[in-house]
Amino acid sequence: GQQVMQIPQYQHVQEGEDFTTYCNSSTTLSNIQWYKQRPGGHPVFLIQLVKSGEVKKQKRLTFQFGEAKKNSSLHITATQTTDVGTYFCAGVGGGYQKVTFGTGTKLQVIP
Amino acid sequence: EAGVTQFPSHSVIEKGQTVTLRCDPISGHDNLYWYRRVMGKEIKFLLHFVKESKQDESGMPNNRFLAERTGGTYSTLKVQPAELEDSGVYFCASSQVFGGELFFGEGSRLTVL
Repeated sequence: GQQVMQIPQYQHVQEGEDFTTYCNSSTTLSNIQWYKQRPGGHPVFLIQLVKSGEVKKQKRLTFQFGEAKKNSSLHITATQTTDVGTYFCAGVGGGYQKVTFGTGTKLQVIP
Repeated sequence: EAGVTQFPSHSVIEKGQTVTLRCDPISGHDNLYWYRRVMGKEIKFLLHFVKESKQDESGMPNNRFLAERTGGTYSTLKVQPAELEDSGVYFCASSQVFGGELFFGEGSRLTVL
């Protein structure tokens, strides 16, 4: 079945440093989504990437979808304490367009 | 517009008891998903409804779990009998578009003692 892995599992950064999380799927995806879950909260949609090689930006966040549509990355420039949380990628694929969440990267920002 | 609502927010039961979780999706969203997050780990897929039909239930762990979505509106997830390993946060999500953005509820935290 479809599996989605993320690295790293945890990341501690000093406020102002950059952060990147990587996502890899065992199968080719039709699209990939990114979510953020704050401590004690629920996942909140950030973005969806559909095209091979697509790059999208949201302020300090840059999202990339690989050429083979099997991997993706999220890069945060100059982290802030408000960026704290767990970032999940979610791969969409298969006949049922199953949404499979990655293992998540927990980001801690040290002020 | 009301978001996805889940009830109860927290349930504490003993092993062997039954619990029923409810999810009200956003009105008009045909797609409804159940996920589970255990001990802060990954968000594991349980199943996906399209209207009242089970589109994909490949993630349901065993026959102690029963999900229904009568009339294609709200959904229930029943665990009977509950086991210790069923503890976790059960999230419901809905989407308007097949394979599109998911809107999550606040989750139902289940603790089995």
